[in-house]
Amino acid sequence: QLQLQESGPGLVKPSETLSLTCTVSGGSISSSSYSWGWIRQPPGKGLEWIGTFYYRGSTYYNPSLKSRVTISVDTSKNQLSLKLSSVTAADTAVYYCARQGELLEDGFDTWGQGTMVTVSS
Amino acid sequence: QSVLTQPPSVSAAPGQKVTISCSGSSSNIENNYVSWYQQLPGTAPKLLIYDNSKRPSGIPDRFSGSKSGTSATLGITGLQTGDEADYYCGTWDSSLSAGVFGGGTKLTVL
Repeated sequence: QLQLQESGPGLVKPSETLSLTCTVSGGSISSSSYSWGWIRQPPGKGLEWIGTFYYRGSTYYNPSLKSRVTISVDTSKNQLSLKLSSVTAADTAVYYCARQGELLEDGFDTWGQGTMVTVSS
Repeated sequence: QSVLTQPPSVSAAPGQKVTISCSGSSSNIENNYVSWYQQLPGTAPKLLIYDNSKRPSGIPDRFSGSKSGTSATLGITGLQTGDEADYYCGTWDSSLSAGVFGGGTKLTVL
């Protein structure tokens, strides 16, 4: 059974870089049939797509975050990572990693439990 | 402001049927698959519908999805109190080259 687990600091200072890891178990992150994404949800608000690591090796980012976001995959560790630089209070949210089908329009069929990140000094 | 538009809330009595709409444009819903997610309080979203109308294994047939033009609809029949949750539509926007979600709809089962 595929499981995803996010991990990383729960508190990040303004202007610093938020770094999260998503560990995949029960399946391979290098499977050619799946892409992997990050989605966030500010407290009391809706879902916001951050970006997707496409199974063909390219990445796609939310245009509003593109200048600050990096998503990468470490196949040796079976992990997906997220780096978001120059964070502000507006980046406070629950961050989810999720598996997506091979098409960019495919749904996210498996989600991690999410990890809360607060940006505050 | 979300790219996809959903009603903020809907409500219906137990046993009844409800529909949730998701409105978009030719660059997203009309030419890409739509997915629907259920988010129970304090939990991660769960995929309910993919490819406009397909249900993942384990999702009861009380849940259905459809698409017409630039709009998609989630239908839930035989409402149960356990269906009270937030529901989100999602798809790909070919003009933005980005994933997009609706703002979410809170379902209340009265």
